[in-house]
Amino acid sequence: SQTIHQWPATLVQPVGSPLSLECTVEGTSNPNLYWYRQAAGRGLQLLFYSVGIGQISSEVPQNLSASRPQDRQFILSSKKLLLSDSGFYLCAWSSRTGGEQYFGPGTRLTVT
Amino acid sequence: GEDVEQSLFLSVREGDSSVINCTYTDSSSTYLYWYKQEPGAGLQLLTYIFSNMDMKQDQRLTVLLNKKDKHLSLRIADTQTGDSAIYFCAERTDSWGKLQFGAGTQVVVTP
Repeated sequence: SQTIHQWPATLVQPVGSPLSLECTVEGTSNPNLYWYRQAAGRGLQLLFYSVGIGQISSEVPQNLSASRPQDRQFILSSKKLLLSDSGFYLCAWSSRTGGEQYFGPGTRLTVT
Repeated sequence: GEDVEQSLFLSVREGDSSVINCTYTDSSSTYLYWYKQEPGAGLQLLTYIFSNMDMKQDQRLTVLLNKKDKHLSLRIADTQTGDSAIYFCAERTDSWGKLQFGAGTQVVVTP
């Protein structure tokens, strides 16, 4: 069966520090991968999606970037965090042909 | 742009049925989804429906889709305290699988 992992689970970082969040998927090949941010426990906003290694599309201009160095690895990064980057970051995957999209457990980021 | 709208709060008594409603605006949606989120956790896919279907039933869950009115609903039969959570409606409108989410409906189940 397929599983999706995210780490760390929680992170507290000062303003101006770098960020690296990691997401990995097991049990599938060539997944589509997504990064979402959830603010204030409510609506989710799609930040990035990827349909293959090195292929990243950004949905909103922001202080963040994403990379996909391996087929089942998706990384969210920032060079300098802002207070507004605080939130709950969720990684998700879907197959190329199926309708389902599955989410990871999320990373709670607090920028102080 | 596309919008997905849900009511923000629903209170239901244990054992009753819950109905959560959602409206969407993009008529080209291919799939529509219901997710459940418990406090501090990720989103759990409950069920989804393909746009050429009107209804889908899965145990206590029934999804109804009215394409003409762009209205989606989730009915939970025999609601239990473990059903207390935030429920998100989402639509998929492209081949890349990007989802547009509603703001979520907080469901509180009372004894």
